[in-house]
Amino acid sequence: GAGVSQSPSNKVTEKGKDVELRCDPISGHTALYWYRQRLGQGLEFLIYFQGNSAPDKSGLPSDRFSAERTGESVSTLTIQRTQQEDSAVYLCASSFPTSGGAGAETQYFGPGTRLLVL
Amino acid sequence: AQSVAQPEDQVNVAEGNPLTVKCTYSVSGNPYLFWYVQYPNRGLQFLLKYITGDNLVKGSYGFEAEFNKSQTSFPLKKPSALVSDSALYFCAVRDSSGTYKYIFGTGTRLKVLA
Repeated sequence: GAGVSQSPSNKVTEKGKDVELRCDPISGHTALYWYRQRLGQGLEFLIYFQGNSAPDKSGLPSDRFSAERTGESVSTLTIQRTQQEDSAVYLCASSFPTSGGAGAETQYFGPGTRLLVL
Repeated sequence: AQSVAQPEDQVNVAEGNPLTVKCTYSVSGNPYLFWYVQYPNRGLQFLLKYITGDNLVKGSYGFEAEFNKSQTSFPLKKPSALVSDSALYFCAVRDSSGTYKYIFGTGTRLKVLA
């Protein structure tokens, strides 16, 4: 079946511009995560959506970052007034509840969007 | 606070030899532990996880990991490495006590030499 998809795969923008990144999760997955992966570093949690619950936004690095999700479908991550330090790969992952209980589910990752801010 | 440490930036091993990639963690509650692999130009793929039960967990591609509570470690192992195992490996932890955040390590690059 189809996996998690992200678009665009690559984005080059100028400092100060806004960008919007899109994530299409696996159908039926109620949870969706956004991460940032800077070059040579691990994954940095940004935001978590679970069904219709309020999202956990505690990982967003500044108020220039925001994300939306409509129900259990597509999510968009928006970065306003981009800065050079925003350059990174932005990864989306989705998951569904398992018998192991909340937090035990496996995440399925998309291929990422590589963002370069000039 | 939750944390994960992967102390080795890179591990080199000869093909056919056993491999180990280290991971230690810190959580306040019981840990859920995961290993993911990232091949070049591809997304992260799930390898295995420890939630509860048997400390030895077997996963994809012949990999296994052993949960050691006293040492707070979860090293990834494989008895016989393949060149195709060369990739970037991430350990991740989640506290079972409520938070939904995964904390990922910085990754270890595994290079298997023919």
